[in-house]
Formats: sequence, C-alpha cells, structure tokens
Amino acid sequence: SQQGEEDPQALSIQEGENATMNCSYKTSINNLQWYRQNSGRGLVHLILIRSNEREKHSGRLRVTLDTSKKSSSLLITASRAADTASYFCATDAFVGQGNLIFGKGTKLSVKP
Amino acid sequence: NAGVTQTPKFQVLKTGQSMTLQCAQDMNHEYMSWYRQDPGMGLRLIHYSVGAGITDQGEVPNGYNVSRSTTEDFPLRLLSAAPSQTSVYFCASSYSGTGFEAFFGQGTRLTVV
Repeated sequence: SQQGEEDPQALSIQEGENATMNCSYKTSINNLQWYRQNSGRGLVHLILIRSNEREKHSGRLRVTLDTSKKSSSLLITASRAADTASYFCATDAFVGQGNLIFGKGTKLSVKP
Repeated sequence: NAGVTQTPKFQVLKTGQSMTLQCAQDMNHEYMSWYRQDPGMGLRLIHYSVGAGITDQGEVPNGYNVSRSTTEDFPLRLLSAAPSQTSVYFCASSYSGTGFEAFFGQGTRLTVV
C-alpha cells in the first residue's frame, strides 16, 4: 500500500508563481525523496532529504521535512511552463533494502 | 552513458501469452527494481534485487517472475498475461540500499487484450 500521500492531487498555476506540494507518510523513515515525471516518461530524481535534516535546497527547489508530523513539502519557486509534470514523494522505510514506496503524485500544470 | 534501458517501449499481448520485459543498466548498481504504474495508483513495487543472484518480492508480485544473473540485467517475466496486468512498467536502479537516488528507465507500456 502507498506510504506517501501527496496533496493536492492536481495544481494549476501561472508561470512565475510558486508551487507547493505536500507529502504525508505513515511510518518512520530513513530518507524522503522527490521525483518528477513528465508525461509518458520515466521518473527523474529531484532531491533527497534525510530524516535528520529539516530543509534542503536545490536551485529553485526547496524541500522541508517534519518527522514529528510525518510530512514533507516541495516548493518550486518562480515556476516555468517546463515545470509542468507530475511530482512524487518516495520514502524508504526499511534499512538496507532500499525499497522506495511512492505516493500517488501531484499533477502540476504551469500555464504560460 | 545510457543509464537504465528498457525494451520494448510498447507491447500488446493476448490473454495467456507470456513475455519478458528487459531492463539493463550500465552504472554498476547493485540494487534494481520493477514497478508498475496505473492511473491514480502511483508506482507499486513488483520485485527487487539487492545484487546478482538475490531477488525478493515487492507489494504486487503475483503473475511475475524475475531473476538476476548479472549485475547489469534484471528481466521481468509475465507468465500468463491477464488484462489486469495492463499497465506501464518501470525498471529502476540505484547504487545501493537506502539513501541513494533511483534511476528510472523510460518505461514499457503493456496492453493485454
């Protein structure tokens, strides 16, 4: 069963606006990752945040992690039409096996 | 550097047919896995391998077999295709276990009629 649940399921914004997506999960984790999937393509890794980290940045991406609330957020600043994609959070809850458990994703549409 | 290569990209099968989805990676990754992606369901883990000769079941293993004879290859076999196996299949690899990013192939879109 899904470990992570993204919210919202779909998000539509204008170019230049910020986009925030949230992920909640059920069990204790070692790491949480965010991936992007363009339509009809494979998933591409965006960022990994470890359970002892609270915030991480990568270019226009900012990820936060609150292990007490079992939640994470992905912020994309100054969005572009090319950011249109589905975004998934993935957690690995079992040490050593490395199995990633994915949420159902947030579909982001950025209008020019 | 090709990364993770999946073949074929598209396949149509008749119910009861068998086939093998191929996956190869050239990054010398120990960990490889297969997922299926269905509308509204996200990705679900079918089988995974932590190294050559070692495989294990994921969340939805029924109807699928895997083997890992080399580090590079991790084929997924459909034993007797069923319409419920219509899906998009993704192979992924990563350097090791927990804490490493996964690299995904481009996917195989399978339709079972």
